Amino acid sequence: GEDVEQSLFLSVREGDSSVINCTYTDSSSTYLYWYKQEPGAGLQLLTYIFSNMDMKQDQRLTVLLNKKDKHLSLRIADTQTGDSAIYFCAESLSGNTGKLIFGQGTTLQVKP
Amino acid sequence: DAGVIQSPRHEVTEMGQEVTLRCKPISGHDYLFWYRQTMMRGLELLIYFNNNVPIDDSGMPEDRFSAKMPNASFSTLKIQPSEPRDSAVYFCASSPRVVTGNTIYFGEGSWLTVV
Repeated sequence: GEDVEQSLFLSVREGDSSVINCTYTDSSSTYLYWYKQEPGAGLQLLTYIFSNMDMKQDQRLTVLLNKKDKHLSLRIADTQTGDSAIYFCAESLSGNTGKLIFGQGTTLQVKP
Repeated sequence: DAGVIQSPRHEVTEMGQEVTLRCKPISGHDYLFWYRQTMMRGLELLIYFNNNVPIDDSGMPEDRFSAKMPNASFSTLKIQPSEPRDSAVYFCASSPRVVTGNTIYFGEGSWLTVV
């Protein structure tokens, strides 16, 4: 079945890089997404990557995709206290319109 | 654009009462989703609509839950009767069309507490 797994917690110091990891099970995933949720708010799309890409960079964010290992990572360079939030990995399945399968979320704590 | 609008933002109700959550998707979006978020189960897709028609309701927990989309600009999620285990954040989201790569836009959520 479809499943997305993430580690639950990550703590880094301000200015360091953060790497949040995600694994998924469905090899037919077409797009993979990273969402950010701040306290008391909804989910905000950060970035996404098509399954035929290995890497995507967007300012401080770098997404790496290893399709063979079904592993996705999000690297945040120069992490700031404002980056403290829950980060969700999600996959969009081929042929299944609309349905995103979310991981359980990784809480990122940035210490000053 | 105003984004996905949900109401109420917060609701506290007694067990057994009916709860109605409302959602206005982004204008022009063909897809509407209802998600539930809890500490124990994370984010779960309850149901989604395409052009006002329910496509997949396999995530709806039980018959106490029902969702409708009478028109392109409005949807409701109803719980009757409510139970304490229904306490969660309920998110509505919409998508312009699901050609892969199009993103889903989330509302701010309705925080439900059933006592």
